[in-house]
Amino acid sequence: GENVEQHPSTLSVQEGDSAVIKCTYSDSASNYFPWYKQELGKRPQLIIDIRSNVGEKKDQRIAVTLNKTAKHFSLHITETQPEDSAVYFCAAITGGTSYGKLTFGQGTILTVHP
Amino acid sequence: NAGVTQTPKFQVLKTGQSMTLQCAQDMNHEYMSWYRQDPGMGLRLIHYSVGAGITDQGEVPNGYNVSRSTTEDFPLRLLSAAPSQTSVYFCASRDWVGRGTNEQFFGPGTRLTVL
Repeated sequence: GENVEQHPSTLSVQEGDSAVIKCTYSDSASNYFPWYKQELGKRPQLIIDIRSNVGEKKDQRIAVTLNKTAKHFSLHITETQPEDSAVYFCAAITGGTSYGKLTFGQGTILTVHP
Repeated sequence: NAGVTQTPKFQVLKTGQSMTLQCAQDMNHEYMSWYRQDPGMGLRLIHYSVGAGITDQGEVPNGYNVSRSTTEDFPLRLLSAAPSQTSVYFCASRDWVGRGTNEQFFGPGTRLTVL
């Protein structure tokens, strides 16, 4: 089955700096890569996603890049703010069916210091 | 729309007790799933369903049962609770790829403690 590795496990930055979180996946058939943000005590919520036919996607301060050849994708947050502090999860869906299972990375605890 | 709802929010069980965690969604999603979240372990898939009457095992199914009699509901049963099942449980639902987005929506979670 799919295996998703996420690094780093913790990331501490100063407000205004950029943050980068990286993930690798094992199944070359994976075709959808979402990123979820989970604030303390709350449910995970989708912040951005990318499909395998796209190399990069941006949404304001957040961007995701995908390298299918190397089987890795990354989340980039620019101009970080204290409210960006949360746990971030990457995930991958294996293709082949309409319902492929969503496999998550282990998570990155991002702390943005004012 | 209420989205994905779960009950209860908190539960304390004694070892050996059984219980059912309830999950419902009102988005007419075919795909539903259960995850458990432990510190440092991310979200691990317990069971999933691609439609009424169809269920399958995920990564960590032992000790749990599911059934899917309707599109809306997907309960998770703990057969004989063990301390190792202390965790936060999330239910989630998603539409199928061809009909909508791939976004998976999560319920608010159930925090379970087994003594």
